[in-house]
Amino acid sequence: SAVISQKPSRDICQRGTSLTIQCQVDSQVTMMFWYRQQPGQSLTLIATANQGSEATYESGFVIDKFPISRPNLTFSTLTVSNMSPEDSSIYLCSAVGWRDYGYTFGSGTRLTVV
Amino acid sequence: EDQVTQSPEALRLQEGESSSLNCSYTVSGLRGLFWYRQDPGKGPEFLFTLYSAGEEKEKERLKATLTKKESFLHITAPKPEDSATYLCAVQAPTDKLIFGTGTRLQVFP
Repeated sequence: SAVISQKPSRDICQRGTSLTIQCQVDSQVTMMFWYRQQPGQSLTLIATANQGSEATYESGFVIDKFPISRPNLTFSTLTVSNMSPEDSSIYLCSAVGWRDYGYTFGSGTRLTVV
Repeated sequence: EDQVTQSPEALRLQEGESSSLNCSYTVSGLRGLFWYRQDPGKGPEFLFTLYSAGEEKEKERLKATLTKKESFLHITAPKPEDSATYLCAVQAPTDKLIFGTGTRLQVFP
């Protein structure tokens, strides 16, 4: 299965600022996803990152708040914009490859907004 | 609406005490059911994928089974290193994964 590198691993940010999280996969993958995991909770899908086109967002998540890019088959970014303390969470990147159907996850970005 | 429910929320076992975790699901057109293990501060680690009712998969002390409405993760003679949160997820026809809330397992020596 693919190996995913996600950075930064953690950050503490001021409210009103933005943070961009990077996700790099070591092989070409078919699909990439971004999830949020709030403390003690399970994973909630934010959006599917589409290569070369706009991401597909889940209900409750909008592009202005969480702009996503996927310029090629191995890289994606998620930006958390105009942050508030409610955005404090773990953000996870996931990918599924061509030859297997296992969904691999990065180690996550732990974001704290103060 | 697609939904995944896991039970129990938390489970405390003595080392060697076997048990099972449950994952019930409702999804239109199941493409696969996934089990993950998640340790604190880390991303989910893939364990199993099951595709059709009756299918079973094993890995060390873990065995996953699937029916048309639920899946079980059986843990045989657990060890303290099996302590983690176990997540179940279903693959919808759109290929996105829908996760349950997880079972926090603690195994005491």
